[in-house]
Amino acid sequence: QKEVEQNSGPLSVPEGAIASLNCTYSDRGSQSFFWYRQYSGKSPELIMSIYSNGDKEDGRFTAQLNKASQYVSLLIRDSQPSDSATYLCAGPGYNFNKFYFGSGTKLNVKP
Amino acid sequence: DGGITQSPKYLFRKEGQNVTLSCEQNLNHDAMYWYRQDPGQGLRLIYYSQIVNDFQKGDIAEGYSVSREKKESFPLTVTSAQKNPTAFYLCASSTIPGSNQPQHFGDGTRLSIL
Repeated sequence: QKEVEQNSGPLSVPEGAIASLNCTYSDRGSQSFFWYRQYSGKSPELIMSIYSNGDKEDGRFTAQLNKASQYVSLLIRDSQPSDSATYLCAGPGYNFNKFYFGSGTKLNVKP
Repeated sequence: DGGITQSPKYLFRKEGQNVTLSCEQNLNHDAMYWYRQDPGQGLRLIYYSQIVNDFQKGDIAEGYSVSREKKESFPLTVTSAQKNPTAFYLCASSTIPGSNQPQHFGDGTRLSIL
């Protein structure tokens, strides 16, 4: 089992809809997670960090962490075509010695 | 502005040649990392360093070498032993090694075989 798993997609949503991206992890001790956005041909860009159970909102983005279910999600409200990218979920393991990246979910927002 | 600078943006390697990819950061980060990304794939860790003059192999270190003589610099050499080097190479850094902090990336170097 991979430490961090994501559905590779593609996930297609119409413009203005809510896009929901999900990630599961295997290390029960993991305490923080990060979402990166990667446009085609570019490097990953950090867009959200979440350190505790519950929701964290930043503009149109909401990150959700459920430690009991070992589940992390990213909601993008009012999706725009410019949100079309691959989204990577990542986080350190319990002993912080390694940093795990999911393989990414490709999001297409259709005008 | 603080950041991570990778150079060159594009690099071409001839068969049997070693090439070196540069990574410099002015974020005062202790930890630095090298990843390889193949088209449509995720990130794979090549090497990482948590302190000057020390580094560890990642998941795909064969055919690569690194050095960490200065805190700011972590160059990656792709040796002739790496038979399939064509990929997008990403350098990243983070504050306290192995901590609860995210990694930040440079713009990447795209390596191709001539």
